[in-house]
Amino acid sequence: DAGITQSPRHKVTETGTPVTLRCHQTENHRYMYWYRQDPGHGLRLIHYSYGVKDTDKGEVSDGYSVSRSKTEDFLLTLESATSSQTSVYFCAISERAEGGGPYNEQFFGPGTRLTVL
Amino acid sequence: AQKITQTQPGMFVQEKEAVTLDCTYDTSDPSYGLFWYKQPSSGEMIFLIYQGSYDQQNATEGRYSLNFQKARKSANLVISASQLGDSAMYFCAMGYDYKLSFGAGTTVTVRA
Repeated sequence: DAGITQSPRHKVTETGTPVTLRCHQTENHRYMYWYRQDPGHGLRLIHYSYGVKDTDKGEVSDGYSVSRSKTEDFLLTLESATSSQTSVYFCAISERAEGGGPYNEQFFGPGTRLTVL
Repeated sequence: AQKITQTQPGMFVQEKEAVTLDCTYDTSDPSYGLFWYKQPSSGEMIFLIYQGSYDQQNATEGRYSLNFQKARKSANLVISASQLGDSAMYFCAMGYDYKLSFGAGTTVTVRA
């Protein structure tokens, strides 16, 4: 199994409070991702990183920010949580394909269940 | 964003039978990858199989095979000899620029 941990695994917070989720990897992979999973939507990309201090937005980035100061850690911050951000959040990692094939699979962390009251 | 469509919200299959999960995608890029992931009730995301857009042969991994029809832009997953442990949500995803775009998923329930 890929070495990916997420913390916390569960969190309940109130509307308007800041929240930071942490993703930690031991695989030294270049690419890291944050997704949210909601019923009927599958997984949707929030932000991703292609190196230390190199990040970019995904399709649902509004209300979220990220930081990556070390290869192994990728943080997702909700500056002021809203009820619409209640979701399950997954971190994933990936590495550049070797030889043929443009893509390697992404390996996922166990997820964080966030509830915003 | 790239669009992935899984038209079957839920399916039932008898144990030991095969099941086909549909996936269609929409892209104008010539280079992409297609993935299937399994999510059991415990919640983790498990990678099953990958097909590159330039691969000539359909991918296979044990009981999983990917029926790739490039002209039709479809990438159906076939699970042979279904087992009770195959009961899960299955997601099709398309990779582009080192990102993944997911479909909404199909829930498979295997009956004994």
